[in-house]
Amino acid sequence: AQSVTQLDSQVPVFEEAPVELRCNYSSSVSVYLFWYVQYPNQGLQLLLKYLSGSTLVKGINGFEAEFNKSQTSFHLRKPSVHISDTAEYFCAVSETRGYSTLTFGKGTMLLVSP
Amino acid sequence: DTGVSQDPRHKITKRGQNVTFRCDPISEHNRLYWYRQTLGQGPEFLTYFQNEAQLEKSRLLSDRFSAERPKGSFSTLEIQRTEQGDSAMYLCASSVQEYGYTFGSGTRLTVV
Repeated sequence: AQSVTQLDSQVPVFEEAPVELRCNYSSSVSVYLFWYVQYPNQGLQLLLKYLSGSTLVKGINGFEAEFNKSQTSFHLRKPSVHISDTAEYFCAVSETRGYSTLTFGKGTMLLVSP
Repeated sequence: DTGVSQDPRHKITKRGQNVTFRCDPISEHNRLYWYRQTLGQGPEFLTYFQNEAQLEKSRLLSDRFSAERPKGSFSTLEIQRTEQGDSAMYLCASSVQEYGYTFGSGTRLTVV
């Protein structure tokens, strides 16, 4: 079984500042890793995913994440945030077997202010 | 391709009533998932279909919950004898591979 810990429930940041949202996972087997974003009253949109290969993954809207196997982390970063980035961000993990369901963290609310 | 469609978007029901939600996946996606998201939490897995076969059910899916996917197309999730604890956002997702889900906008259920 896997688990995901998002270390911050809320991250306030000013517009154009850099941001890092932290995610740690636990699993006894190989995993795929994902970041999703959720705007109010909407479903989840995939930001980026790590399947294999380069540990630095680039996604949509200028976000990137780095997979660190030794630290079992997959932190999300953006060098300069916009007001429109205000949303809930979820880290998720799934096993690399034939099919596997996603296990989500509790989410981090990114609050961008002017 | 209009994405994953869920209906209704919102449902308010009285405790004890039955409710049914519908999910229309992306047409070429053979895998379909239901998740539940309560306030302040991440989504939690409920059940998984590959084509019309229901291959996995979570312990969260009590006997009051049933899901179907006739002919491997749309899916329905029914909750019988609703309880206040069933109030949540019910999310449907579909995929063709074991990763890269596309989520719908969800059905928000409020049990009063």
